[in-house]
Amino acid sequence: NAGVTQTPKFQVLKTGQSMTLQCAQDMNHEYMSWYRQDPGMGLRLIHYSVGAGITDQGEVPNGYNVSRSTTEDFPLRLLSAAPSQTSVYFCASSPFGDRVKKLFFGSGTQLSVL
Amino acid sequence: AQTVTQSQPEMSVQEAETVTLSCTYDTSESNYYLFWYKQPPSRQMILVIRQEAYKQQNATENRFSVNFQKAAKSFSLKISDSQLGDTAMYFCAFISNAGGTSYGKLTFGQGTILTVHP
Repeated sequence: NAGVTQTPKFQVLKTGQSMTLQCAQDMNHEYMSWYRQDPGMGLRLIHYSVGAGITDQGEVPNGYNVSRSTTEDFPLRLLSAAPSQTSVYFCASSPFGDRVKKLFFGSGTQLSVL
Repeated sequence: AQTVTQSQPEMSVQEAETVTLSCTYDTSESNYYLFWYKQPPSRQMILVIRQEAYKQQNATENRFSVNFQKAAKSFSLKISDSQLGDTAMYFCAFISNAGGTSYGKLTFGQGTILTVHP
């Protein structure tokens, strides 16, 4: 099994450009989420989804859109990139009913906005 | 809302020695989990150890153990017999077990960079 797959691993954008960070998991997990990691701030939750067709905002949702049309995929869209969105982005998934609350993380996407 | 604080931005230790990373948290809940994640230079997030709040016994995983003080809201990680491969960023994290809107939402600390010297 591949687990949680994120693409691309690295990306450079110009201010105002749009792009989609892809996330796919093959574990049939209901719960998926996006975090951003910034120096001195740890990881912060951007958006999450508890199942296909259901999404909600996390701690830092501004500037990002998400959708969940299938259980497997949870893309993160930047409609108009800003330098403040320069960060490392992680996608994570978890099955419902997981008593140990373990999140499975992707390998991350390093995004630079110039 | 929960907060997690790691007050040590950087730590260093000699190989084979013991080091303790500190973490404090704030919550009004009584049912939750605490975690330590390791992030090596590869950027991968690796779960090191977890602790369930209702368990008084401190969790242990090989060379890694925690000191969980629920009343003090403290959750430190002790690494014994440090190895070069332990060099990484370490994150403390909290998750509620209350379900509902808190499901799956990890709150992370700022991270501690640990360097193990030969």
